[in-house]
Amino acid sequence: DTAVSQTPKYLVTQMGNDKSIKCEQNLGHDTMYWYKQDSKKFLKIMFSYNNKELIINETVPNRFSPKSPDKAHLNLHINSLELGDSAVYFCASNRDGNYGYTFGSGTRLTVV
Amino acid sequence: AQTVTQSQPEMSVQEAETVTLSCTYDTSESDYYLFWYKQPPSRQMILVIRQEAYKQQNATENRFSVNFQKAAKSFSLKISDSQLGDAAMYFCACDPNFGNEKLTFGTGTRLTIIP
Repeated sequence: DTAVSQTPKYLVTQMGNDKSIKCEQNLGHDTMYWYKQDSKKFLKIMFSYNNKELIINETVPNRFSPKSPDKAHLNLHINSLELGDSAVYFCASNRDGNYGYTFGSGTRLTVV
Repeated sequence: AQTVTQSQPEMSVQEAETVTLSCTYDTSESDYYLFWYKQPPSRQMILVIRQEAYKQQNATENRFSVNFQKAAKSFSLKISDSQLGDAAMYFCACDPNFGNEKLTFGTGTRLTIIP
C-alpha cells in the first residue's frame, strides 16, 4: 500500500487551462503539505493543512487553491496555468512528533 | 524563519569509500529537527536520517551518520562504504518543533558514485 499517493504522476497542459492534482495519505497523519520543486531542484513549501484547516499559506499566486475534504486528502487546483508553473509538485504528510515527513512520488507538471 | 545552506552543489566518491556532505542552517527557534533526504533519479523523496536538536548524540542509520554541531549550526552527513545505489540528490532540511511546522530545504548536493 502506498503511504502518500499523488495523481497524476505526469501532467502536460496548455497555458490558460485549469488542472487539479490529487493527494491521499493512509498513514493517519494530521498534517499535509504541498511543496514545489523548480527546475533547479529547489523545494519550497506552498501550503500546509492540519486536520482540514489551512495552517501555512506561503506567498503563492491565488491561482493556486488547496482543498482538504478530510484529513487524509489534500488536493491542489491551479487556474489559468502559466509557463512558470511548470515544476514537480510534491504532496507530503507528517504526524505529531515530527518523525519525518513522508512524501508522495511527485507530479511533474509541464505547461506548454 | 530558518535558512539552510548546502555549499557543495556536486560531490563524487569512489565506491566503498566514505563521503561527507556539508550543511549549515540558521533558525531562531530553540527547538527544532534536522533531516537529510535523498532524491534518486526516480524523484521520490526518501528520509535518510533525522536529528532532534535537543539531543547531543549524533543520529546514525546503518551506513549513514551525522555530525551535529549545535553551536556552529552545522549538520553534515557521512556516508560510509558508499554504494552505487547511494547516487542521488541529497537535501538537508530544518523544521521547528512548535507552531507552524514546515520543512525548509537546502539547495541540495548531487552525489555521484564512481565504480
